[in-house]
Amino acid sequence: QKEVEQNSGPLSVPEGAIASLNCTYSDRGSQSFFWYRQYSGKSPELIMFIYSNGDKEDGRFTAQLNKASQYVSLLIRDSQPSDSATYLCAVNEGSGGSNYKLTFGKGTLLTVNP
Amino acid sequence: GAVVSQHPSWVICKSGTSVKIECRSLDFQATTMFWYRQFPKQSLMLMATSNEGSKATYEQGVEKDKFLINHASLTLSTLTVTSAHPEDSSFYICSARGRTSGGYTQYFGPGTRLTVL
Repeated sequence: QKEVEQNSGPLSVPEGAIASLNCTYSDRGSQSFFWYRQYSGKSPELIMFIYSNGDKEDGRFTAQLNKASQYVSLLIRDSQPSDSATYLCAVNEGSGGSNYKLTFGKGTLLTVNP
Repeated sequence: GAVVSQHPSWVICKSGTSVKIECRSLDFQATTMFWYRQFPKQSLMLMATSNEGSKATYEQGVEKDKFLINHASLTLSTLTVTSAHPEDSSFYICSARGRTSGGYTQYFGPGTRLTVL
């Protein structure tokens, strides 16, 4: 059974610091990786996706992927209190096509303290 | 990002009634739609996957006769909770997968909070 593991947290960081969120996955054939942010009582919001090994940057967010280690991370620079949310890692089998389900981790609760 | 809408955003109903939730992809064609359920402080639970024009595929333990899914077009899927009971009270979230400028990506609707009295 495909699994995606995340530390449930809570992860607390001071405002302005770098928050590092980690995720491991069990299916070595996984091809695409997603990070979603979910505020309490709201639905998940896509932050970033990454398909290739290495880093992908978008504003204050950097996704890092290491397929050999089956590890994907999300770095949030200059963390703000508004970044406080649950961050969900999701993995699916393909980078294209239309029939692939996402397997979600249980999420990491991040708290950014002013 | 792409926009997915859900209607209604919340609903309160009496036990035994049926509730229909609509999910629409507003600016892209959703080849696949997913329906999730989330109880308080728990993770997302996938209920079913549907492709346009075909029957939905339900996850183990999800009653297909209770949770009716219709995916009539590339922009609309509906979930009907039939004969709802208090234990069906939850946050129901749809997600649409399709090809956007960012490649094949899955976007979530805002969710529907169902309370069954």
